[in-house]
Amino acid sequence: EAGVAQSPRYKIIEKRQSVAFWCNPISGHATLYWYQQILGQGPKLLIQFQNNGVVDDSQLPKDRFSAERLKGVDSTLKIQPAKLEDSAVYLCASSPGDRSNSPLHFGNGTRLTVT
Amino acid sequence: RKEVEQDPGPFNVPEGATVAFNCTYSNSASQSFFWYRQDCRKEPKLLMSVYSSGNEDGRFTAQLNRASQYISLLIRDSKLSDSATYLCVVNTNAGKSTFGDGTTLTVKP
Repeated sequence: EAGVAQSPRYKIIEKRQSVAFWCNPISGHATLYWYQQILGQGPKLLIQFQNNGVVDDSQLPKDRFSAERLKGVDSTLKIQPAKLEDSAVYLCASSPGDRSNSPLHFGNGTRLTVT
Repeated sequence: RKEVEQDPGPFNVPEGATVAFNCTYSNSASQSFFWYRQDCRKEPKLLMSVYSSGNEDGRFTAQLNRASQYISLLIRDSKLSDSATYLCVVNTNAGKSTFGDGTTLTVKP
């Protein structure tokens, strides 16, 4: 089966600019996650979708970050405006459903550098 | 206090050694538990689920102690290829996955 697809792989922007990331989950996976991973730390959940509805966005900095999954398939994550501390790897993951015992399948991630 | 805590290491061990990693979690309502492996500059990948009765997969053994809210991973006969960061993951019944910050293992010849 095809894995989780993410683009771009790398992005370098200046602070206060905008950036968008795209994710296409594994076909048939209802749940999609965006994680932020800062160097030396574990992934931190930004937002979790179940189909096209938001399940958890409690750790999403909503003043600058937004995400959507309009048709319940692919998703975009946007940062506007970016700050230096947003430099991180943004990981998209999907799982078959909302059951607690479903492991996550990750994409390759987008490495963002904000200068 | 973090929801999932791990000893960051690093653990530097010789080939053939046995090494154990520990993880504690704070949410007593947590339902499922996993260990993921992350290689340098790569995405995390599932290593194994952790079951209440403990489970083994080749050289890897995982244990869960719900009373103490503690998970462990034991690696026997370490190989060079085991060098990676090991992430402890705890799921709620809504499928929310919370990651620890990982334990770094380096296996040396």
